[in-house]
Amino acid sequence: EVQLLESGGGLVQPGGSLRLSCAVSGFTFSVYATGWVRQAPGKGLEWVSAMSGNGEVKWDADSVKGRFTISRDNPKNTLYLQMNSLRVEDTAVYYCAKRGDFRCGGNDCSFAFDAWGRGTVVTVSS
Amino acid sequence: DIQMTQSPSTLSASVGDRVTITCRASQSISSWLAWYQQKPGKAPKLLIYKTSTLESGVPSRFSGSGSGTEFTLTISSLQPDDFATYYCQQYNSAWTFGQGTKVEIK
Repeated sequence: EVQLLESGGGLVQPGGSLRLSCAVSGFTFSVYATGWVRQAPGKGLEWVSAMSGNGEVKWDADSVKGRFTISRDNPKNTLYLQMNSLRVEDTAVYYCAKRGDFRCGGNDCSFAFDAWGRGTVVTVSS
Repeated sequence: DIQMTQSPSTLSASVGDRVTITCRASQSISSWLAWYQQKPGKAPKLLIYKTSTLESGVPSRFSGSGSGTEFTLTISSLQPDDFATYYCQQYNSAWTFGQGTKVEIK
């Protein structure tokens, strides 16, 4: 059974940092791209960042470029999201999600998300 | 960036109703469209990918159609478990979600 479990959320002041983790099981992690999607309170879904299975290619939303860094440790079956310079508007539930059906043109890839974790809550407030 | 617009934002329906949700892309995304169902406090669940392919385990009352810039999700006979919020997502270029359609009990 595919499982993804996020951790690392919490309350942080504006300008602060957090590192989220997503531990996965039930599939060959190194084969699959994975990503982060967030949902602000009462709002819709927003893609944040994604990384290829081998870790060589990353994609970031404009809203987090230069502040958030995605990474992965394939032997540990874990995906990370280092979040720096946090803003009030980064407050959200952060989900990690596994690649499903995909489209690739060279390193320009995108995909549907066919398995999701339960999410971890990040609150940025003074 | 590709924008995704869903309509309606809220839909009131009864058990047994046929329900249709529309998703429009700001430019052509071919067939690279997925639909998700989300219930309060839960993670989204993939229902359909590549416009019309049903994810394993999803009931056949769900169907998807469209291409290019206009897409629809249809629930042929609404069941009590289907009251939820539905999101479309394009994956032709990066990732963009629609704003969501809440299906509520009439």
